[in-house]
Amino acid sequence: EAGVTQFPSHSVIEKGQTVTLRCDPISGHDNLYWYRRVMGKEIKFLLHFVKESKQDESGMPNNRFLAERTGGTYSTLKVQPAELEDSGVYFCASSPLTGAYTEAFFGQGTRLTVV
Amino acid sequence: AQSVSQHNHHVILSEAASLELGCNYSYGGTVNLFWYVQYPGQHLQLLLKYFSGDPLVKGIKGFEAEFIKSKFSFNLRKPSVQWSDTAEYFCAVNGRFGNEKLTFGTGTRLTIIP
Repeated sequence: EAGVTQFPSHSVIEKGQTVTLRCDPISGHDNLYWYRRVMGKEIKFLLHFVKESKQDESGMPNNRFLAERTGGTYSTLKVQPAELEDSGVYFCASSPLTGAYTEAFFGQGTRLTVV
Repeated sequence: AQSVSQHNHHVILSEAASLELGCNYSYGGTVNLFWYVQYPGQHLQLLLKYFSGDPLVKGIKGFEAEFIKSKFSFNLRKPSVQWSDTAEYFCAVNGRFGNEKLTFGTGTRLTIIP
């Protein structure tokens, strides 16, 4: 069974440009989460989809970040325009919608560097 | 608001030494507790988890953790580390219900010297 897959693995962009990150969850997982780790700090929650609906987007830093999950399968996270402080590793995770006792499976992350 | 504290930012040990990584959490309610590990160049993977029952949980690769409710702690242990345990370790917590988001600690980088 394929795990959570993220594209690209690395991205270097200039300040002001746009970047789109993609996450393919494990097939059948209705929960999809985005997290971010800025260097040296903790992994922080960005948002949570249940199927195609945004369940919780309380962690999104500002309106330069737009996440979508059309059709309830893969998700994209677009940063427009990118700023220097957006640099970090963006993780995606997925889990089945089965109730309380469930664990999240993570992708390998996308390392974003804004210069 | 929930939070997780990992007291050790970087730990360096020799092979065969014993390991204990501290984790304390603050959460208003019943919790699930996790330790994730990220080996160099790899994705985050689950090491072990506590949902309920026996507070001493065993995970993969000889790791274990003990949930002490009175101390709000979930420390990770391994009696004898190996060079291949070199990685970054993250403690995380979420609420018991509803597939809630995880709250992570800042991570502990573990370096094992052969």
